[in-house]
Amino acid sequence: GEDVEQSLFLSVREGDSSVINCTYTDSSSTYLYWYKQEPGAGLQLLTYIFSNMDMKQDQRLTVLLNKKDKHLSLRIADTQTGDSAIYFCAESISSGGSNYKLTFGKGTLLTVNP
Amino acid sequence: DAGVTQSPTHLIKTRGQHVTLRCSPISGHKSVSWYQQVLGQGPQFIFQYYEKEERGRGNFPDRFSARQFPNYSSELNVNALLLGDSALYLCASSGRARDSPLHFGNGTRLTVT
Repeated sequence: GEDVEQSLFLSVREGDSSVINCTYTDSSSTYLYWYKQEPGAGLQLLTYIFSNMDMKQDQRLTVLLNKKDKHLSLRIADTQTGDSAIYFCAESISSGGSNYKLTFGKGTLLTVNP
Repeated sequence: DAGVTQSPTHLIKTRGQHVTLRCSPISGHKSVSWYQQVLGQGPQFIFQYYEKEERGRGNFPDRFSARQFPNYSSELNVNALLLGDSALYLCASSGRARDSPLHFGNGTRLTVT
């Protein structure tokens, strides 16, 4: 089955690190994604990781993948007020060839307090 | 480079009407997907098109249809609108490679009254 779970809320102080967690169920997922959505806007691709990787780092963002536990996390270092947004975890489900879809979690609202 | 563009940005319709939403992918992208995002939820997959053919369909009624044009732009059509169709409709494009990342537009906010 396809299901992506995320905690709904996270509040941190400016300058601290934020860790957003996600679990997924489909073991055939090939890529896992993190998207950011600000109020009234579309989804901004933050980063993604291939399922045979354990970790990916991109500037302030670190993605950790535990494939055995189907657990994905996004760490944001030195969190800023501009990082306040909803963060979505998504898994890629492919039906072969170029056919695939993303299954999203409900999103984690990150609030950064000055 | 222009990102994914969608039009209109906002739309208000009444129940029973139909609506057409439009999407232009990133230049060079041949795959377009549509997602529905209801307030407070994550996006839900509606359709994927690649090279003008439907490649995937989500769990949506037949009132929802789409097509992709030779220039890879796409339209999403919804007939016999219901109040529950009120949502943000997101279009995403991706490159030719399998599982290449989806890049989303800013969406069309549809309100059905």
